Amino acid sequence: SQQGEEDPQALSIQEGENATMNCSYKTSINNLQWYRQNSGRGLVHLILIRSNEREKHSGRLRVTLDTSKKSSSLLITASRAADTASYFCATEPGGTYKYIFGTGTRLKVLA
Amino acid sequence: NAGVMQNPRHLVRRRGQEARLRCSPMKGHSHVYWYRQLPEEGLKFMVYLQKENIIDESGMPKERFSAEFPKEGPSILRIQQVVRGDSAAYFCASSQSPGTGVQPQHFGDGTRLSIL
Repeated sequence: SQQGEEDPQALSIQEGENATMNCSYKTSINNLQWYRQNSGRGLVHLILIRSNEREKHSGRLRVTLDTSKKSSSLLITASRAADTASYFCATEPGGTYKYIFGTGTRLKVLA
Repeated sequence: NAGVMQNPRHLVRRRGQEARLRCSPMKGHSHVYWYRQLPEEGLKFMVYLQKENIIDESGMPKERFSAEFPKEGPSILRIQQVVRGDSAAYFCASSQSPGTGVQPQHFGDGTRLSIL
């Protein structure tokens, strides 16, 4: 698998349900970030978690990081139709500025 | 709009023509990054520039692609003699600091390049 690989590739849920996406990476990192991309638009920064943090919350978002397993998860609680988008994790191997993105999870929230 | 501005949003070129993509970073940002996104894929790093300097172009194809960020004006990504494989969305991002993560990169809405 490549650096920053998300799973599942696609996820379809009902409004009000929770959505969980996972990201795996290969090299050591200083931080990991999650971005959202609406169709035809650029990426919007959601949350950053540092390598010495295990969990972080922002509104309906909860991110966990397990550096021993080189994985992270993004949980969106009480999903809304407006959450329909692609979600990407991005890592900075070795603390460089080169963000490495996974292939993304395409989330569809049905009203 | 104080965000990263890219233009044009859509660009159509015929094979062999030149494509010029522009990016104005967020106000106060002096670091610019270009990424390319193919359909159904994540973004791939191309180049990192500061004012008048190319810091890292390791993600750029060796031929036909060039980038600049002049002292005045937007950053330009130039693709010469375009081929069908250049069709993609090209995103620009900017940051205050060189990607330490404390200041995340902010992205524009991209330029969608189509080659006929």
